[in-house]
Amino acid sequence: QQQVKQSPQSLIVQKGGISIINCAYENTAFDYFPWYQQFPGKGPALLIAIRPDVSEKKEGRFTISFNKSAKQFSLHIMDSQPGDSATYFCAASETGANNLFFGTGTRLTVIP
Amino acid sequence: DTGVSQDPRHKITKRGQNVTFRCDPISEHNRLYWYRQTLGQGPEFLTYFQNEAQLEKSRLLSDRFSAERPKGSFSTLEIQRTEQGDSAMYLCANGLAGGTDTQYFGPGTRLTVL
Repeated sequence: QQQVKQSPQSLIVQKGGISIINCAYENTAFDYFPWYQQFPGKGPALLIAIRPDVSEKKEGRFTISFNKSAKQFSLHIMDSQPGDSATYFCAASETGANNLFFGTGTRLTVIP
Repeated sequence: DTGVSQDPRHKITKRGQNVTFRCDPISEHNRLYWYRQTLGQGPEFLTYFQNEAQLEKSRLLSDRFSAERPKGSFSTLEIQRTEQGDSAMYLCANGLAGGTDTQYFGPGTRLTVL
């Protein structure tokens, strides 16, 4: 059973546009929600993470929006650039737990 | 570069052979995780060490898999009698106990079983 559901599976965005990736979870014990970026042949790299005590977190062009009641969170990439083309994974875990549960990934392509 | 290194980066083996992968973590990070990632999927948790103690194993970790972390430093993951279904990227991640739950991933070892 997929603990974290991610959509869309793939996304094509024009340069300068906004990329939006959505995730949903069921386990209300989850309280840590990171996003990872992965380029082909590389390991996932942490982009940004949020905890449920805030509804939004912004770092540069990347913003996480969090809706605790809906058990959903999303990644927004503003002013998308071709260098942002990669696969993005959302994940979730409980504080102190020993593993992250990952979504199935979104392959983002930013067209010049 | 997260400071986590893995060796080898690529491994091709024949079915039935044994393989061993190594992870060298960030020196002060005492939590170490192994994940497996198949094509088109997110990483899946395999096992976790705090220092040298293996504290959790996923049901994905069959008895053909064994992991060690002697002296709480580097870790090895061994797969015995490899099967074609073992073909995947094997990822090592580090974290700091008492920290922010952040896990830093290495570049992975890509295993292909022929």
